[in-house]
Amino acid sequence: GAGVSQSPSNKVTEKGKDVELRCDPISGHTALYWYRQSLGQGLEFLIYFQGNSAPDKSGLPSDRFSAERTGGSVSTLTIQRTQQEDSAVYLCASTSRFAGETQYFGPGTRLLVL
Amino acid sequence: QKEVEQNSGPLSVPEGAIASLNCTYSDRVSQSFFWYRQYSGKSPELIMSIYSNGDKEDGRFTAQLNKASQYVSLLIRDSQPSDSATYLCAVNPIGASGSARQLTFGSGTQLTVLP
Repeated sequence: GAGVSQSPSNKVTEKGKDVELRCDPISGHTALYWYRQSLGQGLEFLIYFQGNSAPDKSGLPSDRFSAERTGGSVSTLTIQRTQQEDSAVYLCASTSRFAGETQYFGPGTRLLVL
Repeated sequence: QKEVEQNSGPLSVPEGAIASLNCTYSDRVSQSFFWYRQYSGKSPELIMSIYSNGDKEDGRFTAQLNKASQYVSLLIRDSQPSDSATYLCAVNPIGASGSARQLTFGSGTQLTVLP
């Protein structure tokens, strides 16, 4: 596609419910990242996928967070038993070596946990 | 100590002035440095990347890197109200010839250009 797409753009959920956030990277980009950005804060790294290698999960804040990337393309970030502190904008970015490591960001999913 | 530090601002400059944004980093092996601009409610977009010591110019933007001092800056000449945004500094420990890895972001500096 022309750019990184994410869905949904906004999600409101109740505390304790599970949510799934989707990221569709730029076609051909081998690396995919998930970040979280709380209001007025910088970007917090969550997880990184590179090709078929094992993902770098070092940024996931708890075992309620998980992510997968199917077929080396689309990725889903799942948050189980959501808490109010999970409310943030979840950003996905993709890149490839041929893009000079420039990370291209999607529009984000704004998650609000009530 | 944060890995990447920026003055959160807000930084206000008059239209036409030079805006200077600063960033320091703690990891000496850092090799790649990026400046992203983020408008309110939008996602970050890349403005500049720099890998070598010295200055790199692109239009009204100049990135400056000093690895010995672990310091990278962004200068915006002839600032315009449309430059008003949050500017994020990002650092990557892997060089430009290596594989892409996660970036470490600063918390950003909010810039306001006053008309």
